[in-house]
Amino acid sequence: NAGVTQTPKFQVLKTGQSMTLQCAQDMNHNSMYWYRQDPGMGLRLIYYSASEGTTDKGEVPNGYNVSRLNKREFSLRLESAAPSQTSVYFCASSPTKLAGFTDTQYFGPGTRLTVL
Amino acid sequence: AQSVAQPEDQVNVAEGNPLTVKCTYSVSGNPYLFWYVQYPNRGLQFLLKYITGDNLVKGSYGFEAEFNKSQTSFHLKKPSALVSDSALYFCAVRPRSGNTGKLIFGQGTTLQVKP
Repeated sequence: NAGVTQTPKFQVLKTGQSMTLQCAQDMNHNSMYWYRQDPGMGLRLIYYSASEGTTDKGEVPNGYNVSRLNKREFSLRLESAAPSQTSVYFCASSPTKLAGFTDTQYFGPGTRLTVL
Repeated sequence: AQSVAQPEDQVNVAEGNPLTVKCTYSVSGNPYLFWYVQYPNRGLQFLLKYITGDNLVKGSYGFEAEFNKSQTSFHLKKPSALVSDSALYFCAVRPRSGNTGKLIFGQGTTLQVKP
């Protein structure tokens, strides 16, 4: 049982390049999330998926797109990377549909992205 | 605006001494409250949460937290700190209504436990 896995662990992009961050969970969870972590700012929600086939914007969605490919996988895409997107990105999942209010969220190890 | 504050960027404590990491929130209603810990180069790990009931919540690794409704606080505590407790700690809250996806995080507090 690997929990939440993310690939890649590290990535360096040039401004304007695109890339997709991959996330998968093997806990049969219904809800999945993408966060970014910046120094002194905690984690901020980018997008979430309250169930397979649905996605919704979080606090900072601009410049990102997401795909809930199936129940296990939730990818985050940067179409045209900018230096402001330099951050550590975390994927998380939680058991219930509709991003249940009392759910514990389980986090992946993170992807450290640098945009030059 | 809804927010979570962790007023101390860093807390230093000697091993064996009690520790407290503070958290206050400004969220309407009675939110659900969480503490997570992050070790270097790792993802966040769940410590404990307050949903309802007893104001003192016990969690993993000997940590506990006390919910105080009047002070809108949810401070993390441990009676006897270990060097291995050194990490970054995040308080988070989830409002009971509105955007179901939103877990609001504090900025984090670095706990340094010295031998």
